[in-house]
Amino acid sequence: SQTIHQWPATLVQPVGSPLSLECTVEGTSNPNLYWYRQAAGRGLQLLFYSVGIGQISSEVPQNLSASRPQDRQFILSSKKLLLSDSGFYLCAWGVGGGGEKLFFGSGTQLSVL
Amino acid sequence: TQLLEQSPQFLSIQEGENLTVYCNSSSVFSSLQWYRQEPGEGPVLLVTVVTGGEVKKLKRLTFQFGDARKDSSLHITAAQPGDTGLYLCAGVPGTYKYIFGTGTRLKVLA
Repeated sequence: SQTIHQWPATLVQPVGSPLSLECTVEGTSNPNLYWYRQAAGRGLQLLFYSVGIGQISSEVPQNLSASRPQDRQFILSSKKLLLSDSGFYLCAWGVGGGGEKLFFGSGTQLSVL
Repeated sequence: TQLLEQSPQFLSIQEGENLTVYCNSSSVFSSLQWYRQEPGEGPVLLVTVVTGGEVKKLKRLTFQFGDARKDSSLHITAAQPGDTGLYLCAGVPGTYKYIFGTGTRLKVLA
C-alpha cells in the first residue's frame, strides 16, 4: 500500500536560519508531488508541484524553493526564514493529474521566531 | 489567480441540525473535490464531482457541482459531533494543479 512520510512534525526556527523539510512516498511510482502551506484553520496555499524528477513548478514567488532529487522524494527549502514563513506545511501526492485523489502527509508545524 | 471562496467561514450548530457549506469561484473547473481535515493532520478526500449538475451522496452528506462547474455545495443532514472538522473544497482547473478553498470550520455540539 502507498504511504507518505513527512518530517519533522514540529519545528521552531529563528528568523534568518535555513530550512529543509523532507517528504517521501512509498508504494507508487512517478507520483505528482505537492507542497502546500496552511494558515491556522484556513485553506491550503499551493507552493510547489512536481510531475517528475527535477521538474518543479512554483506557484508563489517567495524565499522558499523545492527540489525533487529522486522519484519519490520532495524537499522544501529556504536559505533564510522570515517570520511570515510560519505555518503548517503539507506534502501531498497524486497520480494522473486529472483530479484524482490527493494523499496528504501528517504535516510540519513550523514556527519562525 | 484562481480563488475558491467558502462560506460560511465558521459554523457552530447543535447535534441534529442541518447545514450547507458553499464553495464559489469565477473560474471553471474540470472537477471539484471536498476534503475534511482534523487538527494536526492532513486533509482526507470525501468526494470528487466531475459533471456539471452532478449530485453525490455519502451517507448524510450530499455534494453538488454547479451546472457551470464554477461552484459546489456540501449539505449535511442531522449533523453529529463526529462531523466536526475543517471542510475544504478543491478545484482542479486542468491537470496537476489543485486549488483549495478558504475552508469552513464546523463544530457540532452534543
